[in-house]
Amino acid sequence: AIQLTQSPSSLSASVGDRVTITCRASQDISTALAWYQQKPGQPPKFLIYDASTLESGVPSTFSGSGSATEFTLTISSLQPEDFATYYCQQFKSYPITFGQGTRLEIK
Amino acid sequence: QVQLQESGPGLVKPSETLSLTCTVSDFPVTSPYYWGWIRQPPGKGLEWLGSIYESGSTNYNPSLQSRISISIDTSRNQFALKLSSVTAADTAVYYCARHEPSGGFDFWGQGTLVTVSS
Repeated sequence: AIQLTQSPSSLSASVGDRVTITCRASQDISTALAWYQQKPGQPPKFLIYDASTLESGVPSTFSGSGSATEFTLTISSLQPEDFATYYCQQFKSYPITFGQGTRLEIK
Repeated sequence: QVQLQESGPGLVKPSETLSLTCTVSDFPVTSPYYWGWIRQPPGKGLEWLGSIYESGSTNYNPSLQSRISISIDTSRNQFALKLSSVTAADTAVYYCARHEPSGGFDFWGQGTLVTVSS
């Protein structure tokens, strides 16, 4: 199975900050990567697919990049509603796997 | 707008079979998409369990291969999960979701907590 490792596991930041979360795959997955945001008590929200394509309705402050084994999710200017846990997920091959999550907290 | 809703018992005894149904609204399960199950133990991350295509073909997580079964009922626009021989480690919020054959999970149910306890 393809393993996804996110870093950092947790992150403290302030409103207005620029933050970057990294997701590393254990083998080449091309751009078959998605990103999700999850808030407590809610299902994950689909943010980005194909590594860099924003899902409809997702603010342009979110962006994704990368290919092969290294990917990043960047939030250019943190808003209060962005504090949540973020997960990457690969769909290059079965079994589908998720990263362990990055918890973004308010500083 | 696709809507998914999980239903089933919130409490299952150890060694028994967990059974959940996902009812899909405003979108036919016969469309060319996969319908999947994902779970999240309390305070932990996401684990994909398995997916079923509209044709009925399935893919399962190898870690559950011997215990899991997913089926689809096109007449009711539903798909279902069965997980046998459950233990406390299967306690989790169970989500159903839609995904493209090669794509992320774009629509999710709200999730249902299943506790395994005697």
